Amino acid sequence: EVQLVESGGGLVKPGGSLRLSCAASGFTFSSYSMNWVRQAPGKGLEWVSSISSSSSYIYYADSVKGRFTISRDNAKNSLYLQMNSLRAEDTAVYYCARDRSSSDAFDIWGQGTMVTVSS
Amino acid sequence: QSALTQPASVSGSPGQSITISCTGTSSDVGGYNYVSWYQQHPGKAPKLMIYEVSNRPSGVSNRFSGSKSGNTASLTISGLQAEDEADYYCSSYTSSSTPLVFGGGTKLTVL
Repeated sequence: EVQLVESGGGLVKPGGSLRLSCAASGFTFSSYSMNWVRQAPGKGLEWVSSISSSSSYIYYADSVKGRFTISRDNAKNSLYLQMNSLRAEDTAVYYCARDRSSSDAFDIWGQGTMVTVSS
Repeated sequence: QSALTQPASVSGSPGQSITISCTGTSSDVGGYNYVSWYQQHPGKAPKLMIYEVSNRPSGVSNRFSGSKSGNTASLTISGLQAEDEADYYCSSYTSSSTPLVFGGGTKLTVL
């Protein structure tokens, strides 16, 4: 079964750090670009970051640039998001998502992991 | 980068057709054929319904169709069913510093 499973969410204080992980299974992880998308409570979807299959190309939303770092380990079929200098407005469910063909269409999504930034 | 503009809500009766619009600019929707549509039920992850403006992934009902005219993309759902009630989001590649942008979302109510 093709699957993405996120982990690492939780409660963190403003200014703190958190590392999210996304474990992939059921497909050739190393062949796909991957993304992080977040959704604040009661709000819409916001694209956060993307990484190409070989990590050659990495992009970030302006709202997280300089604070978040995306990475992947193809040997471990895993995607990561290192989040530093967290702010209250980073509170959201974070989804990892597979880009079906590098056309910015996300065909496989994880169940999401909740990140809450609060003192 | 501002989100793409979608109506906050649309509604329709079972069996009817509805269309959800997604308006951007020539830097995103109008300039590229990388528009996607997602369906999201409460508490669930989004599901890809349309990619590259008008293509349906395997397993998605042919009641869902996509199109684009100028800077506006559209999602049409024909033969509305109760299970279509959900939030719908469009997205597009953009030439701005943030390469992907979502619409604000549209809540579809099946009356």
